[in-house]
Amino acid sequence: GENVEQHPSTLSVQEGDSAVIKCTYSDSASNYFPWYKQELGKRPQLIIDIRSNVGEKKDQRIAVTLNKTAKHFSLHITETQPEDSAVYFCAAIPGGGYNKLIFGAGTRLAVHP
Amino acid sequence: DAGVIQSPRHEVTEMGQEVTLRCKPISGHNSLFWYRQTMMRGLELLIYFNNNVPIDDSGMPEDRFSAKMPNASFSTLKIQPSEPRDSAVYFCASSPGPETDTQYFGPGTRLTVL
Repeated sequence: GENVEQHPSTLSVQEGDSAVIKCTYSDSASNYFPWYKQELGKRPQLIIDIRSNVGEKKDQRIAVTLNKTAKHFSLHITETQPEDSAVYFCAAIPGGGYNKLIFGAGTRLAVHP
Repeated sequence: DAGVIQSPRHEVTEMGQEVTLRCKPISGHNSLFWYRQTMMRGLELLIYFNNNVPIDDSGMPEDRFSAKMPNASFSTLKIQPSEPRDSAVYFCASSPGPETDTQYFGPGTRLTVL
């Protein structure tokens, strides 16, 4: 079945720096890759997603890239702010129908003022 | 739209007791998912339904866990008997349907089994 690996597990940056989180997946038929942000004590919230027919997608300071050949995708946050501090999860939907999400282990991002 | 609704938000119970968690998906959504989140295991999919029918329950840890979706607006996750290792945050999420991938999470139920 699908397996999603996420790195790094923790990431510490200074305010204004960029942050990059990387994920790899195993099922070449996977076709949907969302990123969720979870603040302490809150629910995971979708921040951006990308589908297998797109290589890159950007939304203000957040961007996601997808390399289908290498089976990896990345989250890029530019001009980080303290409110970006949270745990970020990548996920993938394996092929075969139905939108069953397989999550990575999460990255705890700390943005220091 | 009220979003996904879960109850209770917090539950503290003693080992051996029955626990029932409830979820109301977003109106019109056809897919419903139950997840468990712990520090050790992260976010795990327990079971998901499409059009009220269980599609995949391979993530349900043991026979002590059961889930039902009697209609499009209500689902329950039951643990009987509960054990301390069941302590976790349980999230329910819903999605418009199998052709629309985005999942929306509820606020979660924090379960503590003493």
